[in-house]
Amino acid sequence: KNQVEQSPQSLIILEGKNCTLQCNYTVSPFSNLRWYKQDTGRGPVSLTIMTFSENTKSNGRYTATLDADTKQSSLHITASQLSDSASYICVVTGGSNDYKLSFGAGTTVTVRA
Amino acid sequence: NAGVTQTPKFQVLKTGQSMTLQCAQDMNHNSMYWYRQDPGMGLRLIYYSASEGTTDKGEVPNGYNVSRLNKREFSLRLESAAPSQTSVYFCASSEGFSSTDTQYFGPGTRLTVL
Repeated sequence: KNQVEQSPQSLIILEGKNCTLQCNYTVSPFSNLRWYKQDTGRGPVSLTIMTFSENTKSNGRYTATLDADTKQSSLHITASQLSDSASYICVVTGGSNDYKLSFGAGTTVTVRA
Repeated sequence: NAGVTQTPKFQVLKTGQSMTLQCAQDMNHNSMYWYRQDPGMGLRLIYYSASEGTTDKGEVPNGYNVSRLNKREFSLRLESAAPSQTSVYFCASSEGFSSTDTQYFGPGTRLTVL
């Protein structure tokens, strides 16, 4: 069973609207959590990283939150743009090997004009 | 800087054929990684090289071999391709081998095994 579950699997939003993506994880012990953006046909690019002590991190219109007690994270996209159309991947580091990255399957976001 | 480059971008093989996927980085990173990405699944680590001269198995190493040719280059070899190896392969690199080091990914190689 995947230790990182993301929801929804996909969503469609209108340009200018906001949306929130969810990530639940079971990886333990926890080291950090990243959100990556993957454009179609490209490799993932890191957006944010949060450690245990951080509960929010922003990168432009992207804001990530972390609740380490409930093992949940969210990524909020504000005032979406067409260029936000991509897959967003939640990645948790930790477990028995500190270097090991556990990847979620991703949420595909489509922004329509 | 080109970052992480991968060749080829696309490849079609027949079952049993062999091939090598090439990866190079120009960021002077110490650690390099090979992942595969399959539909509906997260990326899975095949092999990694924490530093020049070392390689180790990841989560799904069966059917693959790697070579850390030098600090810049890390290749992935399929000795006898199987349809189950149809996937998108990503190479990544990071400055160090700690959990806080950001991994930078290449554009990927889309491999189809018939």
